[in-house]
Amino acid sequence: QKEVEQDPGPLSVPEGAIVSLNCTYSNSAFQYFMWYRQYSRKGPELLMYTYSSGNKEDGRFTAQVDKSSKYISLFIRDSQPSDSATYLCAMSYSNYQLIWGAGTKLIIKP
Amino acid sequence: GAVVSQHPSRVICKSGTSVKIECRSLDFQATTMFWYRQFPKQSLMLMATSNEGSKATYEQGVEKDKFLINHASLTLSTLTVTSAHPEDSSFYICSARQGENEKLFFGSGTQLSVL
Repeated sequence: QKEVEQDPGPLSVPEGAIVSLNCTYSNSAFQYFMWYRQYSRKGPELLMYTYSSGNKEDGRFTAQVDKSSKYISLFIRDSQPSDSATYLCAMSYSNYQLIWGAGTKLIIKP
Repeated sequence: GAVVSQHPSRVICKSGTSVKIECRSLDFQATTMFWYRQFPKQSLMLMATSNEGSKATYEQGVEKDKFLINHASLTLSTLTVTSAHPEDSSFYICSARQGENEKLFFGSGTQLSVL
């Protein structure tokens, strides 16, 4: 079993829909949770960064962490075609090494 | 967010030659930088962790004599692929840690093609 599980997709939704992306994990020691967006042949871009449990909102993006269920989510409201990309979750504990999900390919159809 | 510059973005070389990739943190000092490799449609694979002024720590299965990493200053790390072979063709990405928190900022990546 991988430490971090993420459905690779692709996930295809119409423009304007609310998108829900998720990761599950097995290691309860994880404290830091991140979501990155990666366009094809580009480096990942940090979208959301959360420490411990709770919600965090930034514009159209909301990140949720449920440590009791070992489950994190990224919601995108009013999705746009420019949101089409691969979304990677990542998490870590105190040794600074990030553990990555496989990435979910998201397609927003105009 | 912080800016990490990676150069070159694309390089094509002949088998047997060496290629150097540079990674710079432009507006912050990065005591730790990371080098990743990514195959098509796959996630990032950590190759090594680079700390300024000390030897890099390589992940299991990564040949340190083939992938030479130098982190000479707080803003620059380099990855040199020595005696490149076609199987080294891949997308290489660097990242730098800002401060003592967990935030990583990534370069734009280098597509290496070895003929």
